[in-house]
Amino acid sequence: GAVVSQHPSRVICKSGTSVKIECRSLDFQATTMFWYRQFPKKSLMLMATSNEGSKATYEQGVEKDKFLINHASLTLSTLTVTSAHPEDSSFYICSAPDVPGYTFGSGTRLTVV
Amino acid sequence: AQSVTQLGSHVSVSEGALVLLRCNYSSSVPPYLFWYVQYPNQGLQLLLKYTTGATLVKGINGFEAEFKKSETSFHLTKPSAHMSDAAEYFCAVSDSGTSYGKLTFGQGTILTVHP
Repeated sequence: GAVVSQHPSRVICKSGTSVKIECRSLDFQATTMFWYRQFPKKSLMLMATSNEGSKATYEQGVEKDKFLINHASLTLSTLTVTSAHPEDSSFYICSAPDVPGYTFGSGTRLTVV
Repeated sequence: AQSVTQLGSHVSVSEGALVLLRCNYSSSVPPYLFWYVQYPNQGLQLLLKYTTGATLVKGINGFEAEFKKSETSFHLTKPSAHMSDAAEYFCAVSDSGTSYGKLTFGQGTILTVHP
């Protein structure tokens, strides 16, 4: 079936630095990618929707300048957390629409120290 | 706007017992409904989905769910729980009446299976 490869699976970074998370669709073309954030013991919160070749659409309350999303090709979407702070520590998951529904990446555990 | 409510943040069953995870939704358009399972520090895996047609949907690992429009429900069941079923389960609804709109998730239900 369809696979979305998400890297890295875990990352620890220092406060003030930037971290890039990549999601690649391996055997299908993903014109759209959804980016979610999941807090401990909480559900998934949609952060933004990226579309290949156009600007991402951010959900209300999500800082565009902090969470930079780029969808450079039909198989790659990236989320960059800029000037990371401890409160950005979370589990980030990408998802691409595909038959039969949506395919999720394996997630990235970001810890900002 | 869509919303999903999962009744019970934690469900505990014995191995071999019936599993019932409850999900109610609200949607302004005909819903596409999904159940996903998540193991710790992993992404979500699709268990099953309802789009149109048969209201009883069978999924992987012996799970099934029934779409009941009159009750706005999409409860997930499995006749006999296995230890490997212990995980967190999310019910979700698609907002555009298609498979490819935004997903709105319920708050999740953690399933514990006792020997």
